[in-house]
Amino acid sequence: GAGVSQSPSNKVTEKGKDVELRCDPISGHTALYWYRQSLGQGLEFLIYFQGNSAPDKSGLPSDRFSAERTGGSVSTLTIQRTQQEDSAVYLCASSPPPGLAYGYTFGSGTRLTVV
Amino acid sequence: KQEVTQIPAALSVPEGENLVLNCSFTDSAIYNLQWFRQDPGKGLTSLLLIQSSQREQTSGRLNASLDKSSGRSTLYIAASQPGDSATYLCAVRPRSGGGADGLTFGKGTHLIIQP
Repeated sequence: GAGVSQSPSNKVTEKGKDVELRCDPISGHTALYWYRQSLGQGLEFLIYFQGNSAPDKSGLPSDRFSAERTGGSVSTLTIQRTQQEDSAVYLCASSPPPGLAYGYTFGSGTRLTVV
Repeated sequence: KQEVTQIPAALSVPEGENLVLNCSFTDSAIYNLQWFRQDPGKGLTSLLLIQSSQREQTSGRLNASLDKSSGRSTLYIAASQPGDSATYLCAVRPRSGGGADGLTFGKGTHLIIQP
């Protein structure tokens, strides 16, 4: 598509339930990032995928968080046993291969509320 | 470790004024610098991208400058309008390109344009 697509745009879930957030990057973008933005905070890096390489998971806050990227395209961020502190906007971004003079394109985000 | 600082954290001005938002970064070895806009509850919209070899970029009423040697960038908004009200984020990408820490964000300037 023309942009980075994220779904759902909003998600309300009960504490303890699992959630899946989806990101569909721009076609041809090899790099995909997940960020989290909590209320009043800056962007917190979560995980990075580059092509077929193993993802960099160094930003994931706990083992309840995981992500995968199928076929080098669509990515799913999964949060297990959600907690109230997981409430935030989860943003996905994609970028062309390194060396190209382009920046990052962000999706509109998924607003997650854990009640 | 790269650090990005944005000043001021918040700004409120009357409609029609010209204004400048500031961004500084500690490591000048950058690949590019990108300014984003974020509306409440929404994702990030890219405004301007400046490559390390460039001095400025312009789009409509927006002009972004880059002084890599001093680690500074400014975003100039001419003839401000109420619709410009948003949070403006500055982000730098290291010279290595991509990578888990490939995009370092400032905490943003929250701008309010009073009608």
